[in-house]
Amino acid sequence: AQSVTQPDIHITVSEGASLELRCNYSYGATPYLFWYVQSPGQGLQLLLKYFSGDTLVQGIKGFEAEFKRSQSSFNLRKPSVHWSDAAEYFCAVGGGNTDKLIFGTGTRLQVFP
Amino acid sequence: DAGVTQSPTHLIKTRGQQVTLRCSPKSGHDTVSWYQQALGQGPQFIFQYYEEEERQRGNFPDRFSGHQFPNYSSELNVNALLLGDSALYLCASSFWLAFKRLNTEAFFGQGTRLTVV
Repeated sequence: AQSVTQPDIHITVSEGASLELRCNYSYGATPYLFWYVQSPGQGLQLLLKYFSGDTLVQGIKGFEAEFKRSQSSFNLRKPSVHWSDAAEYFCAVGGGNTDKLIFGTGTRLQVFP
Repeated sequence: DAGVTQSPTHLIKTRGQQVTLRCSPKSGHDTVSWYQQALGQGPQFIFQYYEEEERQRGNFPDRFSGHQFPNYSSELNVNALLLGDSALYLCASSFWLAFKRLNTEAFFGQGTRLTVV
């Protein structure tokens, strides 16, 4: 079955601290992987994407993610979190002959000053 | 260049009614996908339209239907509304088979918040 698991429902960090959000996927074909961010009541903004090549990808707002095929993971990281990073983060997978995205249930990030 | 635009932004309907949501894709895009995001959940794929045809469908009942127009804009229709249809409905636009052919992503609109009472 195709699925995405984000094991952390809610994460709280202090401003300036490092961040890692976990994402594991199950997908039969070669996966294309994405991280989206959503502010309350808003749509989804793409942070970064992985299609092929270098397994460490850089995104916007200082985020990066690493694709580890052996672990079926695509964890999102940021070395120093800003208060404005507080939002909901979604990992998603697509692939094969379709652009259908399968999303995880999201991780809510709270940032304390 | 306008991104993906959806209308209306908010909508309140009564159980049993019908609703139509609209989406204009990003300029140049020819494919529209619709997602339902229930409160506290990740988006769930409803269906995708390309060349005015439904190309793929998720696990949603026939009460959910759609249409794509020659200008690539799209509508999502939901009949016989249930309380459980209350959600944020997101439209995503892309090029056809963007992931595989072009290694490009889908762009999302701000969504339509549907409340069924």
